Amino acid sequence: AQSVSQHNHHVILSEAASLELGCNYSYGGTVNLFWYVQYPGQHLQLLLKYFSGDPLVKGIKGFEAEFIKSKFSFNLRKPSVQWSDTAEYFCAVGSAAGNKLTFGGGTRVLVKP
Amino acid sequence: EAGVAQSPRYKIIEKRQSVAFWCNPISGHATLYWYQQILGQGPKLLIQFQNNGVVDDSQLPKDRFSAERLKGVDSTLKIQPAKLEDSAVYLCASSLERTTGELFFGEGSRLTVL
Repeated sequence: AQSVSQHNHHVILSEAASLELGCNYSYGGTVNLFWYVQYPGQHLQLLLKYFSGDPLVKGIKGFEAEFIKSKFSFNLRKPSVQWSDTAEYFCAVGSAAGNKLTFGGGTRVLVKP
Repeated sequence: EAGVAQSPRYKIIEKRQSVAFWCNPISGHATLYWYQQILGQGPKLLIQFQNNGVVDDSQLPKDRFSAERLKGVDSTLKIQPAKLEDSAVYLCASSLERTTGELFFGEGSRLTVL
């Protein structure tokens, strides 16, 4: 069975600070990896995804994530956050054979202006 | 392009009552999902449809939850009878194919069971 663990439940930081959110997964086969974001009052939307190839993937709004297979990790990063990055971020894992996604518990990020 | 539509947005019921949620996926999306998101947790898959067939319902509490997808388009999720622990946001999502990986979510239906 798939499982996903996100290291932090809440993160508070100031504008222009760097952000890194940890995500580790457990799954025995080939995986597809995702980060979804939920802005206040909005629906979940895709931030970025990794299927294969370059383990460093870039998404929308300056976010990137690195897949480290040996560590079963897919950490999300942004060099300089803005107030508008305040949101809840979810890591998700799907098997390469189909797109049933298993989500982590989420990390609430608050960016102070 | 219209997104995933869900209704109602909010519902308050008493325990042991029944409730139904409706979802209209993005046009042409073959795969439809219902997720349950309890406050403070990530979404948990309840059921996955491919067209009008069930692909995965292993985490659906079948003694009280049921879901159907009529003609491979709209879907309804029903809870009967509701329990306090069913208080959650019920998210509907759709995707073009099973293997593309990108799910498009609706805004969710927030259920409060008193």
